[in-house]
Amino acid sequence: DTAVSQTPKYLVTQMGNDKSIKCEQNLGHDTMYWYKQDSKKFLKIMFSYNNKELIINETVPNRFSPKSPDKAHLNLHINSLELGDSAVYFCASSQGLRGGQETQYFGPGTRLLVL
Amino acid sequence: GDSVTQMEGPVTLSEEAFLTINCTYTATGYPSLFWYVQYPGEGLQLLLKATKADDKGSNKGFEATYRKETTSFHLEKGSVQVSDSAVYFCALRIGGFKTIFGAGTRLFVKA
Repeated sequence: DTAVSQTPKYLVTQMGNDKSIKCEQNLGHDTMYWYKQDSKKFLKIMFSYNNKELIINETVPNRFSPKSPDKAHLNLHINSLELGDSAVYFCASSQGLRGGQETQYFGPGTRLLVL
Repeated sequence: GDSVTQMEGPVTLSEEAFLTINCTYTATGYPSLFWYVQYPGEGLQLLLKATKADDKGSNKGFEATYRKETTSFHLEKGSVQVSDSAVYFCALRIGGFKTIFGAGTRLFVKA
């Protein structure tokens, strides 16, 4: 059973297109995240939702819009894709307690290439 | 602000060598500290963690001790294997929902 799954695994598209990445977790967690990992492996938090409520919204272009239809899903829509959006996007989840001890569980990543 | 600093990689070792990856942090409160590992083509997964000073986290032969006096959480393994080749991320978390990751250290282990 896959705990955190993402689709698609690979996404190759042209500049200017709009695309979505889907994420689902079956761990019963309350909190979900989107991270962007660049070619140097640097990991940057983009968004986080807790119980479908947006709680972290880092400095991310408005072209990126997360949507959480329920606690188990957090999708990422990207409008007007740019070359600089090429990266690996990771979804993650955690139990949702406010304490510092929480472990995050990551999906396998979506490799986005914008041409 | 809170931050994590890791030694730059890549680190290249021969099989059975001793591994140390340095990690230091700055934090305004009392963080929990983590090491995550990312194998090629995969997402990150928890390797070990420690939630208070002097705690030692350990897993798969790796260990790290939470040192409050030196604000460090160095990762060590006595004898690395080729299968340990991966990127290692040190991270901290203080309450709330945000985890702060270091830049990652790539480890190559040669047979």
